[in-house]
Amino acid sequence: AQSVTQPDIHITVSEGASLELRCNYSYGATPYLFWYVQSPGQGLQLLLKYFSGDTLVQGIKGFEAEFKRSQSSFNLRKPSVHWSDAAEYFCAVAANSGYSTLTFGKGTMLLVSP
Amino acid sequence: DAGITQSPRYKITETGRQVTLMCHQTWSHSYMFWYRQDLGHGLRLIYYSAAADITDKGEVPDGYVVSRSKTENFPLTLESATRSQTSVYFCASSGTGDSNQPQHFGDGTRLSIL
Repeated sequence: AQSVTQPDIHITVSEGASLELRCNYSYGATPYLFWYVQSPGQGLQLLLKYFSGDTLVQGIKGFEAEFKRSQSSFNLRKPSVHWSDAAEYFCAVAANSGYSTLTFGKGTMLLVSP
Repeated sequence: DAGITQSPRYKITETGRQVTLMCHQTWSHSYMFWYRQDLGHGLRLIYYSAAADITDKGEVPDGYVVSRSKTENFPLTLESATRSQTSVYFCASSGTGDSNQPQHFGDGTRLSIL
């Protein structure tokens, strides 16, 4: 079965600074990978997804993520953080064969300081 | 408007009571899911459904019952609520059974059991 680790529970970034949120997965092959964002009091919104091909994936709101097979990682990045990016971010993985339910990491809370 | 809606948004009840959380989607998606979100645990899958009258257990199904008589509705019932079921519950849907399909989330139901 697949699993996901998000090592950072909280991260604080100054507005305008760059951001990297870490995600490591465990799976025997290349999985399907997702990043979701959750604003307070709301459900999760898909930021981006990786299935195959180009290992650098572009998403909404200026986010991107890079799949690194050798490190079993799928880190989320943004070059310049805005105060509205403050939210909780979840990495998720699904097996790439047949139907597989999503397995979520425990989330990283992003705080943006002025 | 098309989308996925959960009701109620907030619910307070007492231990031993039965409570039903509703989920309705207007996309005619085949797959629907119920998750619970707790601090330190991220999102954990309770039950999912591949189609009307087809349901399956997720990671934490004990104490919950689901049904799916119509494609658009997927209610979750706590037959005898316990304090450990205090949580935020999210419903989600996806169009097909392919694991590369993203899930679309409702805004959640915050359930408190006294």
